[in-house]
Amino acid sequence: ETGVTQSPTHLIKTRGQQVTLRCSSQSGHNTVSWYQQALGQGPQFIFQYYREEENGRGNFPPRFSGLQFPNYSSELNVNALELDDSALYLCASSLQGAKNIQYFGAGTRLSVL
Amino acid sequence: QKEVEQDPGPLSVPEGAIVSLNCTYSNSAFQYFMWYRQYSRKGPELLMYTYSSGNKEDGRFTAQVDKSSKYISLFIRDSQPSDSATYLCAMSAYNTDKLIFGTGTRLQVFP
Repeated sequence: ETGVTQSPTHLIKTRGQQVTLRCSSQSGHNTVSWYQQALGQGPQFIFQYYREEENGRGNFPPRFSGLQFPNYSSELNVNALELDDSALYLCASSLQGAKNIQYFGAGTRLSVL
Repeated sequence: QKEVEQDPGPLSVPEGAIVSLNCTYSNSAFQYFMWYRQYSRKGPELLMYTYSSGNKEDGRFTAQVDKSSKYISLFIRDSQPSDSATYLCAMSAYNTDKLIFGTGTRLQVFP
């Protein structure tokens, strides 16, 4: 069984740039959720994708957007980066019938300078 | 007030001790309760999940949920230095999209 994989591991960007983060879900899982984890905090829900559509969204501005592909993999895009966007970005996958039970990848650490 | 409260620690215990980690919550709609372990610079690893109230045991780990008090606990028996990590509680209502996390408790087990 293949777990959740994320790429890249680390990214350094400057304020105002755009970034794309990628996630491959665990084998057999059809639902992908994205979270932002600031240093010393718990993860905060950004949004969830199922059947290539956004299925729920947290309190994040529209410059955070995503995609899900037919193979259930997903992308998180962030436009107009701000310094406060520096965080660990986590992808989690689950089954639609048990979407509360989420399994996380190792994350992408984004630094915005 | 946050929906989920968790003492950030750090909690430092000797090897072999019984560890008790706790979270309180305010949303009575929460039905799923999870515990994740997160090592430094890694993603959260699902340790246990419980639906509704009651206890669940898995090896050295026991999860307890008291919905009447809005209080959940994770007990670790015979703690090991390899248990040193941050432990996150997470909760959600039935079949919703998002998990609500506590801030995490940093645990250190010294030999």
